[in-house]
Amino acid sequence: DAKTTQPPSMDCAEGRAANLPCNHSTISGNEYVYWYRQIHSQGPQYIIHGLKNNETNEMASLIITEDRKSSTLILPHATLRDTAVYYCIVRVPWGAQKLVFGQGTRLTINP
Amino acid sequence: DTEVTQTPKHLVMGMTNKKSLKCEQHMGHRAMYWYKQKAKKPPELMFVYSYEKLSINESVPSRFSPECPNSSLLNLHLHALQPEDSALYLCASSHRIGTGAFLNTEAFFGQGTRLTVV
Repeated sequence: DAKTTQPPSMDCAEGRAANLPCNHSTISGNEYVYWYRQIHSQGPQYIIHGLKNNETNEMASLIITEDRKSSTLILPHATLRDTAVYYCIVRVPWGAQKLVFGQGTRLTINP
Repeated sequence: DTEVTQTPKHLVMGMTNKKSLKCEQHMGHRAMYWYKQKAKKPPELMFVYSYEKLSINESVPSRFSPECPNSSLLNLHLHALQPEDSALYLCASSHRIGTGAFLNTEAFFGQGTRLTVV
């Protein structure tokens, strides 16, 4: 599975959009981008995933660049409950079924 | 029901004890996982089960012994652990569709068992 690079920490004001970047320059054509988050002392929670088109669900939006070498997770109106570690993972959705976590970004939402 | 249930939530065990962690899901998922997470670190994959068979062992020491007795249950048997094995142990499950090429949907994680080895 391809490696990802994320900033170790970010801050965002409550009510503003939080934009979390992820670089995955060695992503291969059949690998998807997945985002998970882990709120303190809880298990990771799936947020969203995509291949090449932008995706949106009730939690967030995922923007993948045309060359697929980077992506951005957008939380449109961040709340204090969005404070968590956010993990960007790239993997094929079949085969060995590994889900390997990198270091992630610790996002702090400030009141 | 979109829950993965792990028991116990907390466990303290001595280095000579034998204990087991339990994970249960009723989502019909056929892939189940064990992860270990140390404080302020990302989860580390330990084992993957696919259709009740062990498919991935990430070179985990034999003092950790996984078992998948049926499609809903996953156990992790612990024996002769060391204090450095103290961590949060997470279970997850995901769905494998079809018998040929299959597509993984998102993984669902339990809340973990916080293990302390004394």
